[in-house]
This record gives sequence, structure tokens and C-alpha cells, in this order.
Amino acid sequence: KQEVTQIPAALSVPEGENLVLNCSFTDSAIYNLQWFRQDPGKGLTSLLLIQSSQREQTSGRLNASLDKSSGRSTLYIAASQPGDSATYLCAVPQGGSEKLVFGKGTKLTVNP
Amino acid sequence: EAGVVQSPRYKIIEKKQPVAFWCNPISGHNTLYWYRQNLGQGPELLIRYENEEAVDDSQLPKDRFSAERLKGVDSTLKIQPAELGDSAVYLCASSLAFFGSPVPYPEQFFGPGTRLTVL
Repeated sequence: KQEVTQIPAALSVPEGENLVLNCSFTDSAIYNLQWFRQDPGKGLTSLLLIQSSQREQTSGRLNASLDKSSGRSTLYIAASQPGDSATYLCAVPQGGSEKLVFGKGTKLTVNP
Repeated sequence: EAGVVQSPRYKIIEKKQPVAFWCNPISGHNTLYWYRQNLGQGPELLIRYENEEAVDDSQLPKDRFSAERLKGVDSTLKIQPAELGDSAVYLCASSLAFFGSPVPYPEQFFGPGTRLTVL
């Protein structure tokens, strides 16, 4: 059974800092990995989907990397802004199905 | 392009009452998912539809939960009767997937969710 862990559970940084969020998964036989953002009381916004054949995927100030063999992904946020404050979740498809298995998320606070 | 639409956004009911949630997926998306998210946790899948067919409902508590997706577009998730432990955010998601697709696990797009509080 796939399990996804995100560390740290919470992170507080000053504005302008570069930061890295971590995601690990127990079954390395994944097809892709998706990073989401969730604002308080809101749904999930898809940020990046990285295929297993890719090592990196970039969107603006966000860069996601994937290392299948070690069961890890990182989300790098450059030049953080207060508007980046949210909970970031990663998810992978459960083996053989389209069911996404999520981590508990990292709550990011960027202080002005 | 409109995203996934859900209603209501918030619902407060007393235990043992029935409740229903509605979802309209992104136009053209044939796969629809209902997830439940408890406080401080990631979402967990309740049921997945491919068109009108429920292809994965193993996590749906069938004694009190039911879902339908008539005509393969909109979907309704119902709880009857609700229990205190059902308080959570219910999220609907959709994706475009088809047999033989080179992308068997497509990107899922989520709606804003319905926050249910059972008193």
C-alpha cells in the first residue's frame, strides 16, 4: 500500500527566501506525482504534474523534482512571497488505479 | 474555461439528518472523483466514475453513503443519516482519461469543496 509523507508539517520563512518542500513515497513504482496548493477553506489547485520519465518540471517560480528510485520529490519555491502562504500537498496514484494517495501537506507561511 | 463546480460550499446539519452534495465537472472530462478530507489530513478517495459507471467505490461507506452520476456528467453524493464523524470537506475532482491513453493517470482538477459540519 502506497504511503506518502511530507516534511516538515509546517514552515515559516521571511519574504524573499528560497525554500524546499519535501515529499516521500513508499512504493517507487509510480507513474507520476502531482503537487497541489490549498488555501484555507478552499479546494486544491494543481501546481505541477511530473511524469515518472521526467526529473524536473517548472512553472514560474516553482520547480518540482522527482527521484523515483529513492522515493522522493521536492518542490522548490524561489523568492517566496506572502501570497505563497498556503498548504502544499503532494499526491501519487495508488498502484494500478487512478486513486490519488496524498500526504498530509506542509503548511507554509511567508512573512512580509 | 470553467473549473469544477460544487455546491453548496458550506452545510451545517444535525446528526441523523440527510445531506447531498452536487458536482459539475470540467466540460468534456469523463472521469469524476469524490474525495473526503478530514482536518489536517490529505484527501481520501471515496468513489471514482468513468462516465456513468462507478469503477472504484471500495472506500465508500455503503451503509450510509450513496452516489450517482446520471448521464455521465453531474454527480451527487448523499449521506443518510449523517453522523458526527462525517464532518469534513467533500471534494470533487475530474480528469480526462480514456482507454489506451498514453497518459493512464491523468492530471486531476479539484473543485472548491463542500465543508460539512454535523452537530
